[in-house]
This record gives sequence, C-alpha cells and structure tokens, in this order.
Amino acid sequence: DTAVSQTPKYLVTQMGNDKSIKCEQNLGHDTMYWYKQDSKKFLKIMFSYNNKELIINETVPNRFSPKSPDKAHLNLHINSLELGDSAVYFCASSQDGGAGDTQYFGPGTRLTVL
Amino acid sequence: GESVGLHLPTLSVQEGDNSIINCAYSNSASDYFIWYKQESGKGPQFIIDIRSNMDKRQGQRVTFLLNKTVKHLYLQIAATQPGDSAVYFCAESSAGGTSYGKLTFGQGTILTVHP
Repeated sequence: DTAVSQTPKYLVTQMGNDKSIKCEQNLGHDTMYWYKQDSKKFLKIMFSYNNKELIINETVPNRFSPKSPDKAHLNLHINSLELGDSAVYFCASSQDGGAGDTQYFGPGTRLTVL
Repeated sequence: GESVGLHLPTLSVQEGDNSIINCAYSNSASDYFIWYKQESGKGPQFIIDIRSNMDKRQGQRVTFLLNKTVKHLYLQIAATQPGDSAVYFCAESSAGGTSYGKLTFGQGTILTVHP
C-alpha cells in the first residue's frame, strides 16, 4: 500500500512548456508539502498546505503554482519551464504540520527540461 | 555511480562495523532534529528524531546524539549492513513563527557498506 504517491515518476520536456506533477496521500494527514532536490542532492522546501490552505510559500518563482483540491491531494503546476527547473521533486505529508510531526515522502518525480 | 560529481561527505565501512554520521546545524532555536535515509531512486525515509531538550535517543540499531555545545548531530548505526548504504540527511524543524513545521535539510552524507 503506497502511502504517498506521485505521478509521473519521470518527466522530460522542452523549455517553455507547462507541466503538472500530481501527489496523493492515503494516510489521512492534514498537511502536504513539496520539496525540490537539486543535482547536488540538496533538499529544499517549496510549499506546504494544511487542509487545502497554503501555509509555507518559500521564495519560489510564481511560475510554480501548487493546487490542493482536497487534503489528500497536492499538485504542482509549473509554467514556462526553464533549464534550472530540472530536479527531483518530492511530495510529503504529515499529520498536522507541527514541528515534531514526522514527514513521509513520496518516491519523487525526476523532471528534466531540455 | 550516483556519487560521481556530488562531492558529498562520504563514509565507507565494512559490514558489521559501527558507523557514525555527523551533521552541523545552524539554528539554535530549532525544536526538533531529524535523520532521514535516502536510498537510490527513492524518497527520504524517516529514521529517528530528537527534541532539542534531549541529548540522546535510542532506536533500533540507531542512536541519535545531540551536542548543543558544538551544534552537531550524530547518527550512530550499530552493526552496519549493506542495506544501510544510502545518503543520510539531517534536518531541523522549528515550532514557532513562519518556520512552523518546515524541515530545513543539511548537506547529506553518503554511507557505503562493503560486504
């Protein structure tokens, strides 16, 4: 049983295109996150949502827009893709977003922009 | 291999040895510290966490040590196994302000266990 799932696993696209990555969690958690892992393996938070409400919005270009249709889903839409957007994007979830809450990560989506 | 060009700290051990991975943190106001394990092609996996008012926490085959004097975190793995080979990340989290619940990750250490 997959707790946090993401689709697609791999995404290869041209510069300037618009793409979406989907995330779903079946843990009944209230909070979901998006992280970006660059080529040096550095992991950095992008967004978090609690019960469909945006909580954390790091300094991410506004080409990135998260959408949470319900608390089990948090999708990431990226407009006008750039070469620097190439990375692995991880979705995560936690019970209520508190500092001591364990965050459970999905398998990642490797985005390659050509 | 995966480590080529990454320039992350690396630790190579023999199967059965004990491993110690360390990480420096910067935020003295962090409330929780966490270790994650990331295997090749997978997402980070929670290992163990510790609250900032503790010095040590024991898990199954792992021990989390927190040294607030030198602002270092340590993950001890007993009787290291080939399946422990992965990149290990430390992370910190704060309860207050706009950082609430946000995980800030450290650099990562590549652990390679040789049979």
